[in-house]
Amino acid sequence: QQQVKQSPQSLIVQKGGIPIINCAYENTAFDYFPWYQQFPGKGPALLIAIRPDVSEKKEGRFTISFNKSAKQFSLHIMDSQPGDSATYFCAASTYYGGSQGNLIFGKGTKLSVKP
Amino acid sequence: DAGITQSPRYKITETGRQVTLMCHQTWSHSYMFWYRQDLGHGLRLIYYSAAADITDKGEVSDGYVVSRSKTENFPLTLESATRSQTSVYFCASIGNGLQEAFFGQGTRLTVV
Repeated sequence: QQQVKQSPQSLIVQKGGIPIINCAYENTAFDYFPWYQQFPGKGPALLIAIRPDVSEKKEGRFTISFNKSAKQFSLHIMDSQPGDSATYFCAASTYYGGSQGNLIFGKGTKLSVKP
Repeated sequence: DAGITQSPRYKITETGRQVTLMCHQTWSHSYMFWYRQDLGHGLRLIYYSAAADITDKGEVSDGYVVSRSKTENFPLTLESATRSQTSVYFCASIGNGLQEAFFGQGTRLTVV
């Protein structure tokens, strides 16, 4: 079974801190690695995504670091704010093949940013 | 309104009853998905569909049935609901050439 392993399950940081969430995958055919953000009572929404041809991608305060040889990727949130408190899911998928678009999700990390 | 909508938002049903969760998207996206979200398990794929009349099982498909006669609709049916199917269900869609999945607001289903 394809898996994406995510850690930690929960994370508490102070405002301004830099929470880091890590994910590891097994299937080397994965070629798309998104992070989704979910607020209570809402569906997940795409936050940022990376492909394996780059090692880092930044969008505002959010950065993905990608290590293809280790099959790991992580999300860093710079200058975290209370409004960033949410559950974060990493995911992986393959673009080509019969299961195009099938996102395999990690189990999620509940982030709390204290004022 | 453009987007992906699920109905109902909340549902309570009894064990053994059949229940259908609805999903409708207005973008004509080819790919549609059903996930269930449970504490400690994250989002698990139930079924997916690459186009109208093309569906395939995901990781946790037992006890569920889907159909897709029209591109925009992807209903999920629990044939005989069990308590273990109590969960929050999310529908999602992805357009051709894209990889961003757009999720609905979810349906919270309780089986008593």
